[in-house]
Amino acid sequence: RKEVEQDPGPFNVPEGATVAFNCTYSNSASQSFFWYRQDCRKEPKLLMSVYSSGNEDGRFTAQLNRASQYISLLIRDSKLSDSATYLCVVNEGTGRRALTFGSGTRLQVQP
Amino acid sequence: EAQVTQNPRYLITVTGKKLTVTCSQNMNHEYMSWYRQDPGLGLRQIYYSMNVEVTDKGDVPEGYKVSRKEKRNFPLILESPSPNQTSLYFCASSLMGASGEKLFFGSGTQLSVL
Repeated sequence: RKEVEQDPGPFNVPEGATVAFNCTYSNSASQSFFWYRQDCRKEPKLLMSVYSSGNEDGRFTAQLNRASQYISLLIRDSKLSDSATYLCVVNEGTGRRALTFGSGTRLQVQP
Repeated sequence: EAQVTQNPRYLITVTGKKLTVTCSQNMNHEYMSWYRQDPGLGLRQIYYSMNVEVTDKGDVPEGYKVSRKEKRNFPLILESPSPNQTSLYFCASSLMGASGEKLFFGSGTQLSVL
């Protein structure tokens, strides 16, 4: 079983749609969580951190469910420019400051 | 401009010919790391460094070496590359923010070993 699992997609949605991705993690001791965005063959960039209370940044909302060990990312009013791969990232707090990356969920927003 | 500079962007080589991929950051970050990215496997950590002269293995260190003689530089060395090391490589450095890690990535090196 992978430590961090994501549905690879692709999720094909029309402009303006609301889309949600989930990510599950296996290590209950994981301490911090992030969503990164990666455009094709380019470097990942931090989209947002995920806080226990949930957090919102414009059209993006991230949630954490520790009991069920998953995090989610909700994108409202999808734009063409949101097309990318979204990586779920977990800090397992092992002391070596290593992050475990999911394989990513690909989103394609269509006109 | 704060950045992680990684070179080269593309590299084609042959089996057994030693190569080095350079990585430099100008943010005075203590932590630096190398990842490889392969289809369906996500990013996997090769080596990391907590500070100058402090390096340790990540999840897939076989066939790689690193050094951290200066804070800003963290080169990745393939002493004898093999075709299974064909991959997309990313260097990253980290700022330990209040909520954990924020990684800054270089622009990547696409390596092909023939």
